[in-house]
Amino acid sequence: NAGVTQTPKFQVLKTGQSMTLQCAQDMNHNSMYWYRQDPGMGLRLIYYSASEGTTDKGEVPNGYNVSRLNKREFSLRLESAAPSQTSVYFCASSGPTVYSGNTIYFGEGSWLTVV
Amino acid sequence: KQEVTQIPAALSVPEGENLVLNCSFTDSAIYNLQWFRQDPGKGLTSLLLIQSSQREQTSGRLNASLDKSSGRSTLYIAASQPGDSATYLCAGWMEYGNKLVFGAGTILRVKS
Repeated sequence: NAGVTQTPKFQVLKTGQSMTLQCAQDMNHNSMYWYRQDPGMGLRLIYYSASEGTTDKGEVPNGYNVSRLNKREFSLRLESAAPSQTSVYFCASSGPTVYSGNTIYFGEGSWLTVV
Repeated sequence: KQEVTQIPAALSVPEGENLVLNCSFTDSAIYNLQWFRQDPGKGLTSLLLIQSSQREQTSGRLNASLDKSSGRSTLYIAASQPGDSATYLCAGWMEYGNKLVFGAGTILRVKS
């Protein structure tokens, strides 16, 4: 079972460069998420997609864009990378609704350094 | 703004001790509460999900409780082992928007 797969695992960018983090899930989940994790701050939600064709801002969306390409794939784009975006990025997916006791699955993380 | 707070931030205990990790949340819109484990350099693994209608969940040596009226959840680990060393994160599922809000985590070290 692949679960949630995200690429790349490591990336170093120069300030101002752009890049896209890719994420795919094979569990037929409706909801997908992008989080960032910084030391001592837990995970913070960047963007999420409740279903194919919809995306919504989370807690820290500035400097990012997302695309829900189809039900399987949800990408995160940094248009002009800044040192403040140095972080570990996690993609996740979950089942139908909070009322059904959905479980969430996370990818292994992408370590991004902006110099 | 939803807030999830975890106390303590770090904990070091000798092997065999029973321990309690605390989580508090300020938003009554948190519907379910979930506990995760994160090993260094890895993603998150779900430990226990407590649904709104439940007060606790158990899995092996782990027991998690939820008191929505007081905005608190606790994770109890019995007979701790060095393999339990990891970061433990609690997170609240928001009733609206199907979103998960995380605490900063508790770093646990169990010494052999």
